[in-house]
Amino acid sequence: AQSVTQPDIHITVSEGASLELRCNYSYGATPYLFWYVQSPGQGLQLLLKYFSGDTLVQGIKGFEAEFKRSQSSFNLRKPSVHWSDAAEYFCAARPYGNKLVFGAGTILRVKS
Amino acid sequence: GAVVSQHPSRVICKSGTSVKIECRSLDFQATTMFWYRQFPKQSLMLMATSNEGSKATYEQGVEKDKFLINHASLTLSTLTVTSAHPEDSSFYICSARDPRDTYNEQFFGPGTRLTVL
Repeated sequence: AQSVTQPDIHITVSEGASLELRCNYSYGATPYLFWYVQSPGQGLQLLLKYFSGDTLVQGIKGFEAEFKRSQSSFNLRKPSVHWSDAAEYFCAARPYGNKLVFGAGTILRVKS
Repeated sequence: GAVVSQHPSRVICKSGTSVKIECRSLDFQATTMFWYRQFPKQSLMLMATSNEGSKATYEQGVEKDKFLINHASLTLSTLTVTSAHPEDSSFYICSARDPRDTYNEQFFGPGTRLTVL
C-alpha cells in the first residue's frame, strides 16, 4: 500500500548528541516530501521540504534532511540536539494533487 | 510567511450539541483549505478538502452530515461538528493552500482541541 512510514515511535537522545529520524515512503513516483514538528497541543510547523534538485535539504532550527531515491527515504538529521527540540516529528508526502499523507510520527525526548 | 489561524483553540461541549470551528488565512486568499483530525498519540488524518464556493470533498469513511464544511469566502472555512458525541473528541487542525506558492504548499493552523462530555 502507498504510505509513509516512520519506524521509530520514540527516540531519546542526550542534549548535544546528534539525531536522525527515519522516514520511508512507498509510492511509484517520488512525491513531494516534508518534515513537520509539533509541540504538545500545538499545530504543525514546517521544518523543511523536498520537491526536486539537491537531495540534501536545509531547514529551520538547524535541521536537514537527505532524500535517497534508492532507499525511498527522507531522513531528518540534526548534528547537535537542544532540549527545546523535544517534540513530535511528522514526515509527510504529497504524492499527487494537494493531499498530504502523514507518517505516524516520532516522539523525540531529550535528556540532559 | 503565510499565516493560518483557528478559533477557538479549545472547546468543551455537551453531547448532542453542535460545535463550529473556524479556519482563517490571515494574509493570503486560500481557494483550498483542508481539515485534519488527530487522535491522541496518533498522526493526522485528512478529513476533507474544502474548496471556496463549492462543496467539500470528503475522505472515505468521514460522515458528511456529521462534519459540515463551509468555505464561503477566500479566507474562511468552517467545520461544524453536528450532534457531537464523546467519540468526536479530538484535535482538529486545518491547513490552507497558498495559491501564490509555486508548489502549492499547505500552511497549518494551530489546531482546536474539542472535548465532548
